[in-house]
Amino acid sequence: AQKITQTQPGMFVQEKEAVTLDCTYDTSDQSYGLFWYKQPSSGEMIFLIYQGSYDEQNATEGRYSLNFQKARKSANLVISASQLGDSAMYFCATPHVKPGYSTLTFGKGTMLLVSP
Amino acid sequence: NAGVTQTPKFRILKIGQSMTLQCTQDMNHNYMYWYRQDPGMGLKLIYYSVGAGITDKGEVPNGYNVSRSTTEDFPLRLELAAPSQTSVYFCASSTGGPYNEQFFGPGTRLTVL
Repeated sequence: AQKITQTQPGMFVQEKEAVTLDCTYDTSDQSYGLFWYKQPSSGEMIFLIYQGSYDEQNATEGRYSLNFQKARKSANLVISASQLGDSAMYFCATPHVKPGYSTLTFGKGTMLLVSP
Repeated sequence: NAGVTQTPKFRILKIGQSMTLQCTQDMNHNYMYWYRQDPGMGLKLIYYSVGAGITDKGEVPNGYNVSRSTTEDFPLRLELAAPSQTSVYFCASSTGGPYNEQFFGPGTRLTVL
């Protein structure tokens, strides 16, 4: 079964600095992917970035990038130039693929607080 | 294009009451999901559907039921509400591929007293 571990319950960063949110995964699938979602205080889940296991380059989406290290089974999210609006919960997730369907297995999340 | 919508946004139930959480998507996605999120935790799958008329249990289905009579709608029914069902409920949809993004609704915050 898939498992996602996020070991940082909370992280603090100053505005304009970069921050790395950790995510390690455990999967027996040959092909897999990693998602990152943001959940602000308003509660909705917002998709940020996706990395496929066979993607040759680390995924980037604007200020978000994924530091993907297969040997370490890690898929850390890097946020560059943090903004106050980045304060939120961040969840790492991986697809759980079964015959006929797939769903997402989530980690417990990391709360990021960005200070002025 | 509203995406995934959920109603109500908030609800307080008494123990033993029943209710239906509504979920509608307008993206013509075949796959729909119901998750619950307990305080300080990630999301856990309650039920999912791969198309109209097809539903199946997820990780934590006890105390819930679903139906999928149309592609657009995927209601979640709580029978005999219990305090353990106090949670935030999210509905999501996707095109179905495991590596495709799931689109989430805004959530329903349910309290059972």
